[in-house]
Parts: sequence; structure tokens; C-alpha cells
Amino acid sequence: KQEVTQIPAALSVPEGENLVLNCSFTDSAIYNLQWFRQDPGKGLTSLLLIQSSQREQTSGRLNASLDKSSGRSTLYIAASQPGDSATYLCAVRFNTNAGKSTFGDGTTLTVKP
Amino acid sequence: NAGVTQTPKFQVLKTGQSMTLQCAQDMNHEYMSWYRQDPGMGLRLIHYSVGAGITDQGEVPNGYNVSRSTTEDFPLRLLSAAPSQTSVYFCASRRQDRTDTQYFGPGTRLTVL
Repeated sequence: KQEVTQIPAALSVPEGENLVLNCSFTDSAIYNLQWFRQDPGKGLTSLLLIQSSQREQTSGRLNASLDKSSGRSTLYIAASQPGDSATYLCAVRFNTNAGKSTFGDGTTLTVKP
Repeated sequence: NAGVTQTPKFQVLKTGQSMTLQCAQDMNHEYMSWYRQDPGMGLRLIHYSVGAGITDQGEVPNGYNVSRSTTEDFPLRLLSAAPSQTSVYFCASRRQDRTDTQYFGPGTRLTVL
């Protein structure tokens, strides 16, 4: 079964720290991988989309990397701020069923002032 | 563009009642999907559509019906609501290629008593 796992489930850091969120997937044959942010009671907002041929994508203080051979992606957040507090989810489209996205359960990040 | 819109935002039903959750997008996206989000279970795909007149089942389709008569609209029908269908429902859309991100609506919070 193709699965996506995010560890840890929750993370608390002081403001200003650089941090890494992890996403692992069971099948290296992926179509693309997308990172989302979800604020409490809200929908999902796309942060970064990485195609299978890419190694990383950057947007502002965010950098997402992709290592298909090890089945891992990381989301790096630089100089964290309290406004970064949210749940971060990764979603993978696998080649065998590229029409569908498989989501991890997310990592809930709290950045303390 | 309004993006992806969902109505209602909140709904309370009694067991056995039926209702339709509305979803619309104004981005001319071919692909639309419905997810439910439950604590500890992440987002699970209910049904999806790759274009008007074409729908297919996702992971958890039982108890739900969909139709896609236009590109813009993708309603989700609960035939006979059960307490197990208490959840937050999200509609999403994207283009039918690998380069586009998935866009989510704000969600409908449904409680079945």
C-alpha cells in the first residue's frame, strides 16, 4: 500500500529558530509532491509543489527538498515566526495512480514568541 | 477569481437525513475531488472527477454520491446521514497535468446526531 508519513506529529520551537519538517513515502515512483499549510478551522493552502524531476523548490523562507531514492521530502522553514504556527501537510501523487493525492497526517507546528 | 467555494460552512443533520454539499470553482479546472478530514486519519479521498460527466470512487465512497454536469460544479450528496459521517469535508480542484497545484475550498463542518 502506498503511504505517506509525517513525523513528528507536533513540534514546538522558539521564535527565530530554523526548523525542518519531514515527509516520507513508501514508493519512490512519484509524479509530484506538494506541501500545504492548514490553519485551524480553515482549508489547505498550497506552499510548494515539487515535480518528480526536481530536487528542491523555494519560496521566501521556505525550501522543500525531494529525495525520491530514499522516499523523503523535507520542508525547511528559516527564521520561524509565530505566524508560521499551523499544521503542515504533504501530499504525494504516485505514478501508479497519478490522478489521486495521498496525504500524510501532518505536523502541527507551534512557534513561541 | 473566487477560487474554490463551498456551501454551507456548517451543517447539523439527524441520522437518516439527506443533504447536498455544494462545491464550485471558477478556474476552469478539469479535475475536482472531495475529501473528508478526521482527527488521526488525515485527509481521505471520497470521490473525484476528471471532467464533466466523468466521476470515480476514492478511498471511502460508501454513503456518498457525486455527479459532474458542468466543469464548474461538483456536488456531494449524503444519501442517508450516519454519525460516522461527522467530519470536515473539503472540495479541491486542479488542472489535469503535473504542473498545477491543488486548490482547496474552506471546508464544510458536518455533524450528524
